[in-house]
Amino acid sequence: GDSVTQMEGPVTLSEEAFLTINCTYTATGYPSLFWYVQYPGEGLQLLLKATKADDKGSNKGFEATYRKETTSFHLEKGSVQVSDSAVYFCALSFTGNQFYFGTGTSLTVIP
Amino acid sequence: NAGVTQTPKFQVLKTGQSMTLQCAQDMNHEYMSWYRQDPGMGLRLIHYSVGAGITDQGEVPNGYNVSRSTTEDFPLRLLSAAPSQTSVYFCASKRTGASEAFFGQGTRLTVV
Repeated sequence: GDSVTQMEGPVTLSEEAFLTINCTYTATGYPSLFWYVQYPGEGLQLLLKATKADDKGSNKGFEATYRKETTSFHLEKGSVQVSDSAVYFCALSFTGNQFYFGTGTSLTVIP
Repeated sequence: NAGVTQTPKFQVLKTGQSMTLQCAQDMNHEYMSWYRQDPGMGLRLIHYSVGAGITDQGEVPNGYNVSRSTTEDFPLRLLSAAPSQTSVYFCASKRTGASEAFFGQGTRLTVV
């Protein structure tokens, strides 16, 4: 079935470090791919998305590229800030009626 | 603009009790859904609705009922709570055809 696998956490980085959170997917077809972020005590918010192969989603300094050949959608940021501390979820959806989420990766950025 | 509002934020139930988790959105979204979030398992879809009067099951529907009498509201009912239903529950809504979903802040439910 359709599923998403993302790297285990937690991840702890120093401020201004480079961030990569790996995400791979299994799907019969070509879904839309998403990164959602959950800040402490809040619901999930869409961070970025890509709807077809080779698309790059970007927002708030984060980027992810839809790679069909490796079925991946890795999240990257060149210089993290303390305010980026959150849980990050990779997800896929075909119709938008059901999202398949990864298990989430907790990121803590220390000053 | 309130977005998606869930109540209550926290709830403790005894095994066998019933309760309703409320979800309301003010964005006139046709699509609404309920997820549960468990450690190490991400979010899993319980039920969803594509419009008033229409509901369907998701990945983990057992033990939960839903109805959609208005566009704005999509309550989730636990008829007889079990400890396995201890979880954080999220309601989400979106426009039909849109890819972005908007989530509420969640309800943390503990069943003892």
